Amino acid sequence: DAGVTQTPRHEVAEKGQTIILKCEPVSGHNDLFWYRQTKIQGLELLSYFRSKSLMEDGGAFKDRFKAEMLNSSFSTLKIQPTEPKDSAVYLCASSPDWTSAETLYFGSGTRLTVL
Amino acid sequence: GEQVEQLPSSLIVQEGASVLINCSYTDSASVYFPWYKQEPGKRLQFIIDIRSNMERKQTQRLTLLFDKKTKHLSLHITATQPGDSAIYFCSASLNYGSSGNKLIFGIGTLLSVKP
Repeated sequence: DAGVTQTPRHEVAEKGQTIILKCEPVSGHNDLFWYRQTKIQGLELLSYFRSKSLMEDGGAFKDRFKAEMLNSSFSTLKIQPTEPKDSAVYLCASSPDWTSAETLYFGSGTRLTVL
Repeated sequence: GEQVEQLPSSLIVQEGASVLINCSYTDSASVYFPWYKQEPGKRLQFIIDIRSNMERKQTQRLTLLFDKKTKHLSLHITATQPGDSAIYFCSASLNYGSSGNKLIFGIGTLLSVKP
């Protein structure tokens, strides 16, 4: 099925590098979310877009994390510069209409390891 | 901001047993509570939700109870099967009718069902 697609599946970076993670939401979905998943913190919200507009920029993640959505079918999450504590699984999710409590559809995630 | 706590963090049961996963949230303005599960190596997927004007919702072997007064939810799974083994996530959202809201997740409960 044409679900949420995330690339790459795995990424290894050296401390201080810039990395860009990519997400293609389900076609026609209006809402897109980026989450970080770790065993200790669970799922932490990084960014939320509605109809390509940034609605939530993740508070504590603002300084080195930047999500963009230049068109309705593609989003990127840039981490610059990376630190070892950024090692986690980064999840992208989309929803047809989150404001009407429509379900989130998640991608498989990108596992980032920062050395 | 909103915080969501889940207990227990992990659970091991024999096939056929019932389990209870508890969830509490802090912001009394939260109105919508979807639950997701993540099977090993798979994407998060929606399983059940409840809104703040309801007390109970049931679907197949899942029963979700909501107590607005105590800001507490509990997910009851009956007749567990090895295929139910997964991480279960509780989440809460403020006023899903607003475009500026966000979905906050708990840390998850790892359920292992032994055959």
